[in-house]
Amino acid sequence: GENVEQHPSTLSVQEGDSAVIKCTYSDSASNYFPWYKQELGKGPQLIIDIRSNVGEKKDQRIAVTLNKTAKHFSLHITETQPEDSAVYFCAAMNYGGSQGNLIFGKGTKLSVKP
Amino acid sequence: DTGVSQDPRHKITKRGQNVTFRCDPISEHNRLYWYRQTLGQGPEFLTYFQNEAQLEKSRLLSDRFSAERPKGSFSTLEIQRTEQGDSAMYLCASSFTGADQPQHFGDGTRLSIL
Repeated sequence: GENVEQHPSTLSVQEGDSAVIKCTYSDSASNYFPWYKQELGKGPQLIIDIRSNVGEKKDQRIAVTLNKTAKHFSLHITETQPEDSAVYFCAAMNYGGSQGNLIFGKGTKLSVKP
Repeated sequence: DTGVSQDPRHKITKRGQNVTFRCDPISEHNRLYWYRQTLGQGPEFLTYFQNEAQLEKSRLLSDRFSAERPKGSFSTLEIQRTEQGDSAMYLCASSFTGADQPQHFGDGTRLSIL
């Protein structure tokens, strides 16, 4: 089955710097890759997603890149702000196979220092 | 707010008791998913519904767990004869039909077993 590895587990940056979180997946059939932000005591919030027919997607300060050959995808946050501090999860799914099974990484705790 | 709603937010019970959680999805969504999240981990898929039909179950869903979505709207997740290992956050998500449609999560029910 699919396995998603996420690195680093913790990341500390200064306000205004960029943050990069990387994930690798094992199932080459995976074709949908969402990223979620989870704040303390709350559920995961979808922040961006990418499908395998696209190599990069951007939404304001957030971008995701996908390398299907290497089976890895990354989240890039530019101009970080203290409110970006949270746990970020990557996930993968083969939407042509399993119909509901998002496989999540173990998360990255991002701390943005003012 | 028309997001995914879960009730209760917290549940404390003694080992061996039965518990039931409720999830109200986003009203236009016909897919509903249940996940479990333990401390320091990403969410793990349990089961999902397309309208009232339960279409997929994870091997994590032992015979003590049962989920229903009787009218294709809200869903309940029941755990019978709770065990210490059931302590976790139980998350509900919903989406439009289509496996690559974004899943939107509620804030979860945190279950603590004494």
